[in-house]
Amino acid sequence: AQSVTQPDIHITVSEGASLELRCNYSYGATPYLFWYVQSPGQGLQLLLKYFSGDTLVQGIKGFEAEFKRSQSSFNLRKPSVHWSDAAEYFCAVGAHPPDKLIFGTGTRLQVFP
Amino acid sequence: DVKVTQSSRYLVKRTGEKVFLECVQDMDHENMFWYRQDPGLGLRLIYFSYDVKMKEKGDIPEGYSVSREKKERFSLILESASTNQTSMYLCASTEVPSGNTIYFGEGSWLTVV
Repeated sequence: AQSVTQPDIHITVSEGASLELRCNYSYGATPYLFWYVQSPGQGLQLLLKYFSGDTLVQGIKGFEAEFKRSQSSFNLRKPSVHWSDAAEYFCAVGAHPPDKLIFGTGTRLQVFP
Repeated sequence: DVKVTQSSRYLVKRTGEKVFLECVQDMDHENMFWYRQDPGLGLRLIYFSYDVKMKEKGDIPEGYSVSREKKERFSLILESASTNQTSMYLCASTEVPSGNTIYFGEGSWLTVV
């Protein structure tokens, strides 16, 4: 069955520190992979997506993610976290048809000054 | 700019009431979705629609129905609201072909008392 696992429910980092959020997926075909961010009380905003090609994907707000097929992973990274990055982050895999997404349970990021 | 609008951000309804959650997109997208978001469970797909008057059940359709009479509007209906339907509801839309970005509304917070 298709699924997405985000093993870290809650992560706390200091401002300026590096960040890596983990995502593992289970999918029978070539996956379409996404990272979304949700600020409190808001909808979801797309950070980046992977469809094919270069396995290192650049997104908005200085985020990047690397697709590793051998590990079934799509981890999100940022070299230096800002206080405004505090939010909940969701990894998702695209299923067909018709493009519905399967989401992980999310990782809540807290940033300390 | 892309826009998915959920007309009601915050609602409080009584048990047994019929509830309508409205969603409108202005991007002429074919596909529209309703997700439910709960802490620790991530986003779960309730229903989706890939054309006018077409609908498909998602992972948790029980207790819900949908209506899509016009391409831009996708309504979620709770026939008889129950307290376990207290949640955040997110509408989304995307255009085909597969892999295009899915755009989310800001969400509707529903409390059933």
